[in-house]
This record gives sequence, structure tokens and C-alpha cells, in this order.
Amino acid sequence: DTEVTQTPKHLVMGMTNKKSLKCEQHMGHRAMYWYKQKAKKPPELMFVYSYEKLSINESVPSRFSPECPNSSLLNLHLHALQPEDSALYLCASSQEKGRMTDTQYFGPGTRLTVL
Amino acid sequence: AQTVTQSQPEMSVQEAETVTLSCTYDTSESNYYLFWYKQPPSRQMILVIRQEAYKQQNATENRFSVNFQKAAKSFSLKISDSQLGDTAMYFCAFMDQTGANNLFFGTGTRLTVIP
Repeated sequence: DTEVTQTPKHLVMGMTNKKSLKCEQHMGHRAMYWYKQKAKKPPELMFVYSYEKLSINESVPSRFSPECPNSSLLNLHLHALQPEDSALYLCASSQEKGRMTDTQYFGPGTRLTVL
Repeated sequence: AQTVTQSQPEMSVQEAETVTLSCTYDTSESNYYLFWYKQPPSRQMILVIRQEAYKQQNATENRFSVNFQKAAKSFSLKISDSQLGDTAMYFCAFMDQTGANNLFFGTGTRLTVIP
């Protein structure tokens, strides 16, 4: 089973709202990732968690706040977003960060629209 | 820095025919992994095939195979007996061995299979 689930599928929010994106995997993976993907562009890495600790933050604005409550869950808290933050947000997981044999498995994404 | 180039923004192929998508990359590393991911209109990023740089044998997964030319830094994907379900955006990706295991994506090739 290589399933990564994400909720919600679609999210529309105003610039003053606070919302959260959720990602879940039950493959026993210890590394989880958030990517942002604009239309017709490749995914861009935002954050990496390894063993529930944040290991990479690719200079993402503080209005995006990741959280990893346990090894199966990854959240992305959103606050005071801008219209240019509208994008597809993809979650991925892999067995373990730092191993060359790793493959990242992606979830279906959350389509975010900021009004 | 690693770069991945996909020079074909769009391609089309007749159903049951064969098509080859090209990918080149630039790296100074000797060991790394290469991937092809497929992203259909449903948005889910699906792993198609992967290749370890230290292996000379080209990877194959059913109708999908790669032509890996390490010296030329080329990694093309061949799809045989194309099916309508192959219609998707295809991303070539490179994974380094620095320990970060970051994926570097190309800009993608949009493939349309014509009935």
C-alpha cells in the first residue's frame, strides 16, 4: 500500500482566514514533505520532516506553518495568505530521509484558492 | 546545483504507438537516482519508474522503459503501446546523495494520447 491521503481536496479562503491542510500516511514512513505546485509548473519543495522534526524549510514565509504531530500525520497551517499563494499543495512521504534508496510517494493534493 | 531539463513542453502520440520523452540533467555527483513521475488530470503524482545511476542496466516497468546514458546525462522515457490513460504531465526528477534527498524536477512534458 503506497497511499498518502490529503484533506481537503479543495479549499477556498479569504486573506484573513486561518485554515489547515492535512496529510496522512500509514506506510511507516519517517520522512514527510510539503510541496507547492503552481499551474503548469513542477512541484517546489517547502518543508521536510524527518522523524517528526523539521529538517528543511526552504525559505517559506511564516504565514505557512507546518506541524508533524506524529509519524503518520503532517499538517500545514495557513494564516493571512495572499492571492499568489493559490496553488496545488502536495504532500509526500518516504521511508527515511537521507537514504539513497528512498522514493517519495505523493498524495492527491489540496487545491487552494485565496480570495 | 542540480538542474533537470525537459525540452518538450507538449507531445502527442496515437493510441498503441510508441513515444519517447526526453530529459537531461546536470550534476557533478557520480551517484544519484533518477525518476519519472506522471501527473494525470486527477493531479496525483504517480511514480512511473526509477533508475539508480550506478546501474548500467536500463530500468523497465511493463510498457515503460528508460534509456539512461550516464556520460551524456540523459534519461529518456519510452512508453510502448500507448493507452488513453497515459495522457498526463510527465516530470523527470533527480535525487542527490547529499543526505537531503531532495527531488529536483524538470518543467514537465504534457503527453496526449490520441484515440
